[in-house]
Amino acid sequence: SYVLTQPPSVSVAPGKTARITCEADNIESKSVHWYQQKPGQAPMLVIHFDSDRPSGIPERVSGSNSGNTATLTLSRVEAGDEADYYCQVWDSTSDHFNWVFGGGTKLTVL
Amino acid sequence: EVQLVQSGAEVKKPGESLNISCETSGYSFTSHWIAWVRQMPGGGLEWMGIIYPEDSDVKYSPSFQGQVTISADKSTSTAYLQWRSLKASDTAKYYCARLQGYYNSYGDFWGQGTLVTISS
Repeated sequence: SYVLTQPPSVSVAPGKTARITCEADNIESKSVHWYQQKPGQAPMLVIHFDSDRPSGIPERVSGSNSGNTATLTLSRVEAGDEADYYCQVWDSTSDHFNWVFGGGTKLTVL
Repeated sequence: EVQLVQSGAEVKKPGESLNISCETSGYSFTSHWIAWVRQMPGGGLEWMGIIYPEDSDVKYSPSFQGQVTISADKSTSTAYLQWRSLKASDTAKYYCARLQGYYNSYGDFWGQGTLVTISS
């Protein structure tokens, strides 16, 4: 099965840039989607198709996907960005519908 | 405005049955797949299954096949997740999400979640 690997935690000071990675074999061949989940809340889509922002997501949130690593980048980090972040792909290598999630990364704003 | 509103928290005993719901509004219910996603305490997101309300085509994750039943009611634009015999390990928060597309799909709108607690 296809496995997405994320770092358990990332820490960043306010105003700096946070990069959260999602690693998998040849992930650049897949479309990667990212969700933000704040404590006690439902997941919220922040990036789809590697780098597209849904309506209402600020431009300082961006995504990229190359080789074996997809990256979610949050520029000028704010306290409100503190949350868990999950990457997700649709795994076409299996013979049935299959969503795969990464294990999640807890972003801490220092 | 697209909304997915889930039923309230449940406390059940092992062996009991349960049906939780996800009432949708603001879009054509029959035009989008709906997914159910589990989040165990302190854990990550796990896809359980999806349903296409137009024809009730259902696809289950192998991990949940035979453990739950997913259904939909077009007349009320509501999707359901059902258990026949609950186990303590079913304790989790369950989310429904509207899928955008099928291939390379993602969840663009999510319900607020339903907390299910199973305890004797």
